[in-house]
Amino acid sequence: AAGVIQSPRHLIKEKRETATLKCYPIPRHDTVYWYQQGPGQDPQFLISFYEKMQSDKGSIPDRFSAQQFSDYHSELNMSSLELGDSALYFCASSLKGQGFYNEQFFGPGTRLTVL
Amino acid sequence: DQQVKQNSPSLSVQEGRISILNCDYTNSMFDYFLWYKKYPAEGPTFLISISSIKDKNEDGRFTVFLNKSAKHLSLHIVPSQPGDSAVYFCAADEGGKLIFGQGTELSVKP
Repeated sequence: AAGVIQSPRHLIKEKRETATLKCYPIPRHDTVYWYQQGPGQDPQFLISFYEKMQSDKGSIPDRFSAQQFSDYHSELNMSSLELGDSALYFCASSLKGQGFYNEQFFGPGTRLTVL
Repeated sequence: DQQVKQNSPSLSVQEGRISILNCDYTNSMFDYFLWYKKYPAEGPTFLISISSIKDKNEDGRFTVFLNKSAKHLSLHIVPSQPGDSAVYFCAADEGGKLIFGQGTELSVKP
């Protein structure tokens, strides 16, 4: 079965540079979520999109923005990168329209290292 | 403020025995909980979930128990296998976004 695809898997950037992370949800899933997991920490919710509209926002810095496109893939744009942005970034997808509760299926993550 | 807590950072169990992973939460409004398993360098893999209208949900070797009055849930793995060795995250669904616990690293020894 198709899973959530994230690219790139690894990314190394310098401070103050920008980065773009991509997420391709499971086919027919209508909701995409972004999470950030710092070293030794639990994943923290950043932002989510349902049917291409932002549906919820967590602890996402103003330097970050995201969107979901017409083909349901999503991109997380990160500008003015800081050392503290080094983390694993996970994308997850679910089929929210199926019911009230929906399991989220996670991608393999993008490991961002800011030097 | 950690709304979902897994107070045991690690657990070691013998193969074939039962593994019990615990999770506590503070927000009584949470009504849907999930367990994920995570290997290094991979994304979390969904294991099992439970809604607050139930107190138990079973799927093969995995059973999740929910005690709403105590705001506590647990994941039982019986029998434990070496391939179960991973980090297990408990999560609560808050309007669609997941609030994760800190994780418990399970080690199943042959």
